[in-house]
Amino acid sequence: GENVEQHPSTLSVQEGDSAVIKCTYSDSASNYFPWYKQELGKRPQLIIDIRSNVGEKKDQRIAVTLNKTAKHFSLHITETQPEDSAVYFCAAGSGAAGNKLTFGGGTRVLVKP
Amino acid sequence: KAGVTQTPRYLIKTRGQQVTLSCSPISGHRSVSWYQQTPGQGLQFLFEYFSETQRNKGNFPGRFSGRQFSNSRSEMNVSTLELGDSALYLCASSWGTGGEKLFFGSGTQLSVL
Repeated sequence: GENVEQHPSTLSVQEGDSAVIKCTYSDSASNYFPWYKQELGKRPQLIIDIRSNVGEKKDQRIAVTLNKTAKHFSLHITETQPEDSAVYFCAAGSGAAGNKLTFGGGTRVLVKP
Repeated sequence: KAGVTQTPRYLIKTRGQQVTLSCSPISGHRSVSWYQQTPGQGLQFLFEYFSETQRNKGNFPGRFSGRQFSNSRSEMNVSTLELGDSALYLCASSWGTGGEKLFFGSGTQLSVL
């Protein structure tokens, strides 16, 4: 089955700096790659997603890149703010497999003021 | 539009008991997925239901089961509870076509003593 590795497990950045989280996946059939943000005690919320027919997608301070050949994708957060502090999860899925998502282990991001 | 609703919010059970968790999806959503979240294992897929049929199943023992009703509401049952079943159980709903955005509920925190 699919396996998703996520690095780093923790990331501490100064406010205003950039943060980058990287994920690799194993199943070449995966074609949907969402990123979820989970604040302490809250539900995971989708912040951005990308499909395999696109190499990059941006939404304000957040961007995701996908390299299908290397089977890896990354989340980039620019101009980090204290409210960006949370746990971020990457995931991989395939439309052919319904809505099953395989999640990475998560990255705890701390933005220091 | 109301979000995904999970009840109860907290549960405390003892080993050997069984438990039933409930999930009401966003109106119009026909797919409901269940995930187990633990500090050590992250988010792990349990199963997905679509139009009252199980569409996908994760690698959990048969003690974990679920069902979906004609109004798309879903229940998850865990029989013969073990200490290791202590976790946050999250359900997520979507329209159902596959490979699409999931909306998570706040989860049910299950503690097995």
